[in-house]
Amino acid sequence: GENVEQHLSTLSVQEGDSAVIKCTYSDSASNYFPWYKQELGKRPQLIIDIRSNVGEKKDQRIAVTLNKTAKHFSLHITETQPEDSAVYFCAARGFKTIFGAGTRLFVKA
Amino acid sequence: DAGITQSPRHKVTETGTPVTLRCHQTENHRYMYWYRQDPGHGLRLIHYSYGVKDTDKGEVSDGYSVSRSKTEDFLLTLESATSSQTSVYFCAISESGRSSGNTIYFGEGSWLTVV
Repeated sequence: GENVEQHLSTLSVQEGDSAVIKCTYSDSASNYFPWYKQELGKRPQLIIDIRSNVGEKKDQRIAVTLNKTAKHFSLHITETQPEDSAVYFCAARGFKTIFGAGTRLFVKA
Repeated sequence: DAGITQSPRHKVTETGTPVTLRCHQTENHRYMYWYRQDPGHGLRLIHYSYGVKDTDKGEVSDGYSVSRSKTEDFLLTLESATSSQTSVYFCAISESGRSSGNTIYFGEGSWLTVV
């Protein structure tokens, strides 16, 4: 069945460095790729998304890239700050939305 | 934040008892979902609804049932709770289903412990 693999379960970076979280999807019909941020004890919240007809999208310090040929997409966070520490979920939507298992990002001050 | 309210937010129940979680939305969105979140598994779809009285199973539907009698309400029932159903349950909504760019918004979550 459809699957979304989120390659890193944890990622630790120094404040000010960049963080990259990569996901791979299996359903070639997937056409929408949202990213969610979940702080401890809170709900997942959408931070950025990309559609299949676009290769890259930026919003201030965050960006998402999509490689449809390779079926992978990545979240890029530049100039990381302690408040970026959270769990990040990728997702791919074809017939249904499938979520990755999540990556816990630690930003060390 | 999208207008999604879950109740109860926290519940402890005994094995074998029935439990119902309620989700109420004020956005008039057609699609509603129930997910469970467990460490290492991310967000897994239990059931979803695409309209009043229209529901379908997700990837982890065993032991759960749902009902949607009104657009704004989506109920998740555990007929006989088991310890494996201890989890955080998130209700979610989206305006439509398969269309590209159709964002899913989550409620605040319901923490369920089955002892």
